[in-house]
Amino acid sequence: SQTIHQWPATLVQPVGSPLSLECTVEGTSNPNLYWYRQAAGRGLQLLFYSIGIDQISSEVPQNLSASRPQDRQFILSSKKLLLSDSGFYLCASESIGYTFGSGTRLTVV
Amino acid sequence: GQQVMQIPQYQHVQEGEDFTTYCNSSTTLSNIQWYKQRPGGHPVFLIQLVKSGEVKKQKRLTFQFGEAKKNSSLHITATQTTDVGTYFCAVPSGGSNYKLTFGKGTLLTVNP
Repeated sequence: SQTIHQWPATLVQPVGSPLSLECTVEGTSNPNLYWYRQAAGRGLQLLFYSIGIDQISSEVPQNLSASRPQDRQFILSSKKLLLSDSGFYLCASESIGYTFGSGTRLTVV
Repeated sequence: GQQVMQIPQYQHVQEGEDFTTYCNSSTTLSNIQWYKQRPGGHPVFLIQLVKSGEVKKQKRLTFQFGEAKKNSSLHITATQTTDVGTYFCAVPSGGSNYKLTFGKGTLLTVNP
């Protein structure tokens, strides 16, 4: 079965600082990978998805970008964080259903 | 993109009572998935329904897919405090089978 490693678990960053969240996948090869954001503990918003190395699709215009330098590595980045970037960021891999990582709670102050 | 309506947003029950959450789509779905997210945790996949009229059970949880494949329900019999969390349905979106759109979820709280 798949395992998603996501870190850090929590992060407090000042406005205007850069961001890099990393997600790695074990137990599968060539997975479809996803970044979701969850605000206020409720709905899940798809930010990016990737069906292969260097293949990234963005779902919503925003202050974030994603990269997939290796098959099982998916990175979420920002050059300059905004207050509105605060939220719970979840990486997911697709098998039968999605397997989610444990998430990163980002607070921009 | 694909939209799915999930109701209710919140449900508070006494332990032992039953609970049901519903998802409705305006279009026919190829499949629907259900997830549970415990407070402070991440969503965990519960089940996928594919066939029209399908009913699947997992212990006290019963999942149904409507005959027209436009709606689905999750029913919990005799809730326990361990059932607390938010239950999400998710459907394929954007004409893709690998992108999911999640419902807004139903937050279940159980009074012991």
